[in-house]
Amino acid sequence: EAEVAQSPRYKITEKSQAVAFWCDPISGHATLYWYRQILGQGPELLVQFQDESVVDDSQLPKDRFSAERLKGVDSTLKIQPAELGDSAMYLCASSLGGGGDTGELFFGEGSRLTVL
Amino acid sequence: SQQGEEDPQALSIQEGENATMNCSYKTSINNLQWYRQNSGRGLVHLILIRSNEREKHSGRLRVTLDTSKKSSSLLITASRAADTASYFCATDADQAGTALIFGKGTTLSVSS
Repeated sequence: EAEVAQSPRYKITEKSQAVAFWCDPISGHATLYWYRQILGQGPELLVQFQDESVVDDSQLPKDRFSAERLKGVDSTLKIQPAELGDSAMYLCASSLGGGGDTGELFFGEGSRLTVL
Repeated sequence: SQQGEEDPQALSIQEGENATMNCSYKTSINNLQWYRQNSGRGLVHLILIRSNEREKHSGRLRVTLDTSKKSSSLLITASRAADTASYFCATDADQAGTALIFGKGTTLSVSS
C-alpha cells in the first residue's frame, strides 16, 4: 500500500542550529501539506503546496522556516535557526487535490524534533 | 488557529462500552473528517461526512453532523483496547481546495 515517507523519524538538535525534514508523498498526489503538532494538541498547518506552487503559507514563520517542492513531487521543510519552541512533531500529508472539496489526507509517520 | 473543539479532552472506558466524542466548529464547511492518531504516530483517516449529510457509518463508527449547530459526533461502538488513541475532527473552510483545520483532539483510553 502506498505511503507518505518522511525522514528523519527523530531529530535532536541544539538551538540556533539548522534542521531539515524531507517528505515524499504518495505518487500522483498533487497536494502536499506540512503540519506542526505540539504535544497534546492538534496539527496546525504550516504550508500547503499544489504541485510545485505554494497555496497557503500564511502560518509559516518565514523568518526561520522555509519549504520547497521544486519538481512538484517531494518536499523539504527547513528551520534555521532552530529555537526551543520549535520542539514538536512535523507531519507531512498528501492528497489527490485537483480542486473541489478537500478530501482525505494521507499522513506520514512524522518527524519528531527536539531542540535543546 | 484551530477551528474545531473536541469534547471531552479525555475519555476512559472499559472494553465493550461505547465511546462518544463531540466536535464543534466555527465556520461554514464543505465536509468534516475524523482522524485517529496512535501515540507518536501519524494520523489515519477514519471517515468523511459532507455538509449535506446528517449521518454516516463505517464498521463500528457512526458519525453525525448538525450544520445548524456546527457540531459533529463520533461514536465508536463495542470499544476494544486497540481503539486507544487520540481522535481529531478536521474541517475545511467553505472554499475549494483549502487545507484541513484540526481540533485539539480527544484522548480515548480503553481498558480490558
